[in-house]
Amino acid sequence: QITLKESGPTVVKPTETLTLTCTLSGFSVSASGAGVGWIRQPPGKAPEWLALIYWDDDTRYSPTLKSRLTITKDASKNQVVLTMTNMDPVDTATYYCSRLTSDKVFGLVIPSSYHFDFWGQGTLVTVSS
Amino acid sequence: QSVLTQPPSASGTPGQRVIISCSGSSSDIGSNPVNWYQQLPGTAPKLLIYRDNRRPSGVPERFSGSKSGTSASLAISGLQSEDEAHYYCASWDDSLSVSYWVFGGGTKLTVL
Repeated sequence: QITLKESGPTVVKPTETLTLTCTLSGFSVSASGAGVGWIRQPPGKAPEWLALIYWDDDTRYSPTLKSRLTITKDASKNQVVLTMTNMDPVDTATYYCSRLTSDKVFGLVIPSSYHFDFWGQGTLVTVSS
Repeated sequence: QSVLTQPPSASGTPGQRVIISCSGSSSDIGSNPVNWYQQLPGTAPKLLIYRDNRRPSGVPERFSGSKSGTSASLAISGLQSEDEAHYYCASWDDSLSVSYWVFGGGTKLTVL
């Protein structure tokens, strides 16, 4: 059974740094062709993709937030960590982690087939002084 | 403002067929697959369709996806009350030197 669970503070102050942890179960963060992404969703709004880390440690970031984000993984703990600096009230949102997976042919990843399939329950982070 | 454009709302009566559209550009939908998600109130998004028209295991056949050019559509046939939810399209944009995921603004589906 594949599950993801986000953990971290529920309230942070403006200018502080947010650190969120995604703990994976049922799959390895180092599994070939897989990855883990972070997506946030402000109340009543659409999801916004933030960052992604692949099994081989390659990373991708939202162009608009790149300067504030860092995504890393700890294979020994099967966890992915996201840090976001200089938090602002507009960053108030539910933060989700999600598994990125792909179809394979003869064991080889089809790059165009990547999609987020399993999602964590999300954690609401409020930025307030 | 979302990169992918969806109508903010859609509606239908039980048993009807409803279509939700998602419009993008040549750098996202025009050159990359589209995924669709369903989000019930208070829950995380759930994958409905990936690679334009593929259904994950467990998703009913009455959900289907299609794509043409820079637009994609999600069709729901035999509408049921439990289909009332928000629906989001998503794709990959590689217009810049770096690539990134983009989501639509979402469509709230009401079952009348």
